[in-house]
Amino acid sequence: DTAVSQTPKYLVTQMGNDKSIKCEQNLGHDTMYWYKQDSKKFLKIMFSYNNKELIINETVPNRFSPKSPDKAHLNLHINSLELGDSAVYFCASSQDAGPRNTIYFGEGSWLTVV
Amino acid sequence: AQSVTQLDSQVPVFEEAPVELRCNYSSSVSVYLFWYVQYPNQGLQLLLKYLSGSTLVKGINGFEAEFNKSQTSFHLRKPSVHISDTAEYFCAVSSPSGYSTLTFGKGTMLLVSP
Repeated sequence: DTAVSQTPKYLVTQMGNDKSIKCEQNLGHDTMYWYKQDSKKFLKIMFSYNNKELIINETVPNRFSPKSPDKAHLNLHINSLELGDSAVYFCASSQDAGPRNTIYFGEGSWLTVV
Repeated sequence: AQSVTQLDSQVPVFEEAPVELRCNYSSSVSVYLFWYVQYPNQGLQLLLKYLSGSTLVKGINGFEAEFNKSQTSFHLRKPSVHISDTAEYFCAVSSPSGYSTLTFGKGTMLLVSP
């Protein structure tokens, strides 16, 4: 079983559309994350949730809205997609929100905005 | 604020040769240090981490890294690489206080050829 799974793996969409990426972890972890990897492979945290509560919200446009219906799921909804949103989005989880923890990453969702 | 510099964007090496991937960090406080590996079209996987104690850390797949506080470095080494080690390697730091917020370097592509 995949520990952190995200869908879809590939997504091609037009500018202005709204799209969602879903993520689920079966590790029993309390904390989940969204990271963005740009075309130069630079990784940056976007959001972090601990037990369904938002604890980290980096400088991300309001068009990005995470939602955590329970601690095993963290979805990412993106409104009014722009060309610059093209990237790989990684969902991840860790035992808790402490900095010592190993972070487990999903396989990524490749978003291409045309 | 913390930052991570990976000095080499690409490191070509022949199979069975030793390799060192360099990582330097900048931080006004102590840090936790991590190395993650990303195989093609996959998510990131933890290789090893330094939290405290012995400065030589052993990880999976025969990799090790040494924390050098005076040089603010955490270089990754392997005495003999395999073709299957071809991947992108990311060094990351985290503050030991607060929530987990990994700051990643820009990655080093290790290219192992026969």
